[in-house]
Amino acid sequence: AQKVTQAQTEISVVEKEDVTLDCVYETRDTTYYLFWYKQPPSGELVFLIRRNSFDEQNEISGRYSWNFQKSTSSFNFTITASQVVDSAVYFCALSEAGNFNKFYFGSGTKLNVKP
Amino acid sequence: KAGVTQTPRYLIKTRGQQVTLSCSPISGHRSVSWYQQTPGQGLQFLFEYFSETQRNKGNFPGRFSGRQFSNSRSEMNVSTLELGDSALYLCASSLALSGTVTDTQYFGPGTRLTVL
Repeated sequence: AQKVTQAQTEISVVEKEDVTLDCVYETRDTTYYLFWYKQPPSGELVFLIRRNSFDEQNEISGRYSWNFQKSTSSFNFTITASQVVDSAVYFCALSEAGNFNKFYFGSGTKLNVKP
Repeated sequence: KAGVTQTPRYLIKTRGQQVTLSCSPISGHRSVSWYQQTPGQGLQFLFEYFSETQRNKGNFPGRFSGRQFSNSRSEMNVSTLELGDSALYLCASSLALSGTVTDTQYFGPGTRLTVL
């Protein structure tokens, strides 16, 4: 079974709209780590956020916010007032403790922000 | 600090050849991981190295191998290339201070390999 599911393959929004990217994960470990990365057309994965399983605090960073809910095994990412520069593929990833940096990535959500 | 660097950035090979890709981690980072990205399979973990030892390996055939040097630089090698090996190969490094805790991985720009 897939450990990380990003059901939204592609989303298109108009600039200044808010958009939420969904991420559902599956693990039996009690200690694990969740990440979001952004991949612009250049190809490099850019780190956005890391969350530990024992820290369910939501986080806001500028226009970005993350909602971590262990009860639903979800770690969703919201961009407020989207901009054209936000256009990219976004990946959610899971790493389990003791697995030595082995990341399981979701299939990614391509976000198109139109002017 | 300089980021993760990968060389070469682009590579074209023919079936049956072998290829070596190189990765230089962020200064001070001791763990290096490799991932393969294809449109069909997405991002898949290849292997991870820490202190010159392979600690974890993904589900790839033995044609895929790697190593890490004492300065933490890493190389991966693919022998007997197949068409399906065409992909973006990404290298990531992390601090790994404790050696056991999962750290944030920082990725390089990747090497795009095309097998003809």
